[in-house]
Amino acid sequence: EAQVTQNPRYLITVTGKKLTVTCSQNMNHEYMSWYRQDPGLGLRQIYYSMNVEVTDKGDVPEGYKVSRKEKRNFPLILESPSPNQTSLYFCASSLIGGSNEQFFGPGTRLTVL
Amino acid sequence: EDQVTQSPEALRLQEGESSSLNCSYTVSGLRGLFWYRQDPGKGPEFLFTLYSAGEEKEKERLKATLTKKESFLHITAPKPEDSATYLCAVLYDRGSTLGRLYFGRGTQLTVWP
Repeated sequence: EAQVTQNPRYLITVTGKKLTVTCSQNMNHEYMSWYRQDPGLGLRQIYYSMNVEVTDKGDVPEGYKVSRKEKRNFPLILESPSPNQTSLYFCASSLIGGSNEQFFGPGTRLTVL
Repeated sequence: EDQVTQSPEALRLQEGESSSLNCSYTVSGLRGLFWYRQDPGKGPEFLFTLYSAGEEKEKERLKATLTKKESFLHITAPKPEDSATYLCAVLYDRGSTLGRLYFGRGTQLTVWP
């Protein structure tokens, strides 16, 4: 089944404790992206990757890191999480660029205390 | 300033009562406009892509149209299962960067029997 998977689905952590949210797709997509969704603010793009080893900032990259060493994986790293990073995070992928339909993962709900 | 504005924020319809959702965008150089549906607690699900003014796409009770500054999602004779948040996103032509996608805040649609 074609899908985008994220792990963990739920995470409660404390300020400053490094964490990684994994994202994997099995559709051989070139493009992958991370978003956060907050009430009243909608979906905002954090980082995206046009292909392996090619990443770029979205609207709200501060406090986040990404890497794209393999085509299928695009982990989101929070080196020192803060409470303002409490949010619902979505990973997405599309065949090429950003101009194709994106397939979204199920989301990761992160709470930083 | 939001680059993508959706209206209304919320819409309640009786089953069978047709209506339209609006998505307006403020910059030029549109490369694509996307409509997604999002159910509570889930990732957005792709509906349509529109690329140029005058283009229309249809799927069941939904029809999306595009002009030079806005898009409409028309819902004909809606059913309760159409209840969801509908998201609009745009991709702008900014030279080589075709990966940044801007989402509106969404319209929360409720269809009651």
